[in-house]
Amino acid sequence: AQTVTQSQPEMSVQEAETVTLSCTYDTSESNYYLFWYKQPPSRQMILVIRQEAYKQQNATENRFSVNFQKAAKSFSLKISDSQLGDTAMYFCAFTNAGGTSYGKLTFGQGTILTVHP
Amino acid sequence: DTEVTQTPKHLVMGMTNKKSLKCEQHMGHRAMYWYKQKAKKPPELMFVYSYEKLSINESVPSRFSPECPNSSLLNLHLHALQPEDSALYLCASSLQRDKPREQYFGPGTRLTVT
Repeated sequence: AQTVTQSQPEMSVQEAETVTLSCTYDTSESNYYLFWYKQPPSRQMILVIRQEAYKQQNATENRFSVNFQKAAKSFSLKISDSQLGDTAMYFCAFTNAGGTSYGKLTFGQGTILTVHP
Repeated sequence: DTEVTQTPKHLVMGMTNKKSLKCEQHMGHRAMYWYKQKAKKPPELMFVYSYEKLSINESVPSRFSPECPNSSLLNLHLHALQPEDSALYLCASSLQRDKPREQYFGPGTRLTVT
């Protein structure tokens, strides 16, 4: 079974600064996908960024980038130039790429990020 | 258009009521999901539909009954719920179940059982 661990229940950052959220996972599979989802207070969960395990290059999406360390099973999210709208709960999630994946997403427990003005 | 819609946004029901939640997507996705989410917790998977057929039931009590009338629509029928069933119910969809990419989530239905 896969597990996803987010060791930081809460974090805070000043507006315009950079923050990194940690995520580690455990799997015996070699091909899989990792995601970061963002869920603002009382708002919709949206996909922030996606990483395919067979791609060595770290994914980036504007101010969001990941540091994917496959051997260490680590998948951290870096948010640059933090904005007030980045305040949200962030979930790291894992899914297998095939075989008996069954389309299941395994989520971490989440990190509540607060951006202060 | 990466939109999943859910109705209603809020629902209050008594333990003897019967109600339904509705989810719709028009992205051509063939996998659809129901999740239950408690406050400040990650979503918990309840059901997975693949090509309109139920493929996963995560041992959900029978008072929750899913239905997939067509490839764009997913319902969750509720009957004789308990107060502990109060939660945010999220619907999601993805391109295909066995070629998993990202799942797109709807805004959810906030359910309160009195």
